[in-house]
Amino acid sequence: DAGVTQSPTHLIKTRGQQVTLRCSPKSGHDTVSWYQQALGQGPQFIFQYYEEEERQRGNFPDRFSGHQFPNYSSELNVNALLLGDSALYLCASSIGGQGNQPQHFGDGTRLSIL
Amino acid sequence: AQKITQTQPGMFVQEKEAVTLDCTYDTSDPSYGLFWYKQPSSGEMIFLIYQGSYDQQNATEGRYSLNFQKARKSANLVISASQLGDSAMYFCAIPMDSNYQLIWGAGTKLIIKP
Repeated sequence: DAGVTQSPTHLIKTRGQQVTLRCSPKSGHDTVSWYQQALGQGPQFIFQYYEEEERQRGNFPDRFSGHQFPNYSSELNVNALLLGDSALYLCASSIGGQGNQPQHFGDGTRLSIL
Repeated sequence: AQKITQTQPGMFVQEKEAVTLDCTYDTSDPSYGLFWYKQPSSGEMIFLIYQGSYDQQNATEGRYSLNFQKARKSANLVISASQLGDSAMYFCAIPMDSNYQLIWGAGTKLIIKP
């Protein structure tokens, strides 16, 4: 039973570039959430996708966008990269996305902006 | 708005001893739940345990148990018989108003000494 998989594992970009991160949810899960985790901090919610639509969004600018595909996999896109976007990006999947359902996480993508 | 506080930035514990990690929360929701996650240095966020506010008994999962005290708004994680592999960051998290996103504490870094 495959868990949540994320790609790539590491990425180095320069300021102003664009990046796409990918996530495949755990088998049987239909909801994908994305989090940004800066070094030494807890994760910050970016947005959640359910039924191919963005259901909720955290306090992140429009430079952060996403997509969910019919097979429930998801992409996170970040445009006009800033130094402050350097972080671990975590994808989490769950069933229905309700608050009492545990979210299962992938290993994350470490994004470094030079 | 929900808020999570983890007051112990770091802890050193001798192997085989029990550990209690503190978590206090603030929420106006009448019904809520609280999650604990473990994050090893590899980065993956691992779900440990969950308890809903209406659950009558404290949750247990193997060596993990929750000491849930609603009146004090605390939900401490207890790890019995600690092992070297328990060394990691530990985060508690609570669903936000909409129940779709998690609000996270700053985490506690636990180091188990041999």
